[in-house]
Amino acid sequence: AQTVTQSQPEMSVQEAETVTLSCTYDTSESDYYLFWYKQPPSRQMILVIRQEAYKQQNATENRFSVNFQKAAKSFSLKISDSQLGDAAMYFCAYRSDDNDMRFGAGTRLTVKP
Amino acid sequence: EAQVTQNPRYLITVTGKKLTVTCSQNMNHEYMSWYRQDPGLGLRQIYYSMNVEVTDKGDVPEGYKVSRKEKRNFPLILESPSPNQTSLYFCASSPDPRLIQGRVLTFGAGSRLTVL
Repeated sequence: AQTVTQSQPEMSVQEAETVTLSCTYDTSESDYYLFWYKQPPSRQMILVIRQEAYKQQNATENRFSVNFQKAAKSFSLKISDSQLGDAAMYFCAYRSDDNDMRFGAGTRLTVKP
Repeated sequence: EAQVTQNPRYLITVTGKKLTVTCSQNMNHEYMSWYRQDPGLGLRQIYYSMNVEVTDKGDVPEGYKVSRKEKRNFPLILESPSPNQTSLYFCASSPDPRLIQGRVLTFGAGSRLTVL
């Protein structure tokens, strides 16, 4: 079964600085989808960014970008110009082509003013 | 507003007392799923449904039941809750997952369940 590993239970960043959250996954599939979800204190799960494995270009969404390394099975999230509202739990997720979906254990991000 | 609605948001119950957590989506999504979230474990899938009358077990189905009699509803049933089912539960839906846009899950707001 596919697994998703987030090796950083907690991270902190100074406001306006840049932070990178790590995610690795294990799969034997060639076609799959990767996601980062944000869970603020409200507990709502919010999609931050997604990446299709067949696309070589790294996805970007405003201040959020990913570094997708398919061969290394790595999918890190970079948050630029961090804001107080970015403080949340971040989950990395993998979805296979046959819809098996796996989540990492999460990384709690603190943003210091 | 397009959304996934879960009820109740909070529930405290006792061991053995049957309960149902409802989930409804208004986006005409084919795929629906239930997850439980526990500290250090992330989200684990309980059950999922690819369409009406089609349900399948996820990673942690023991102690849970689901049904999909209508496209919009996917209730989670705990026939005899136990303390190890104390958790935060999420319902999620997506369009036909055979489509690229169907790969993105939309989540409900979560239901905090405590079993004493």
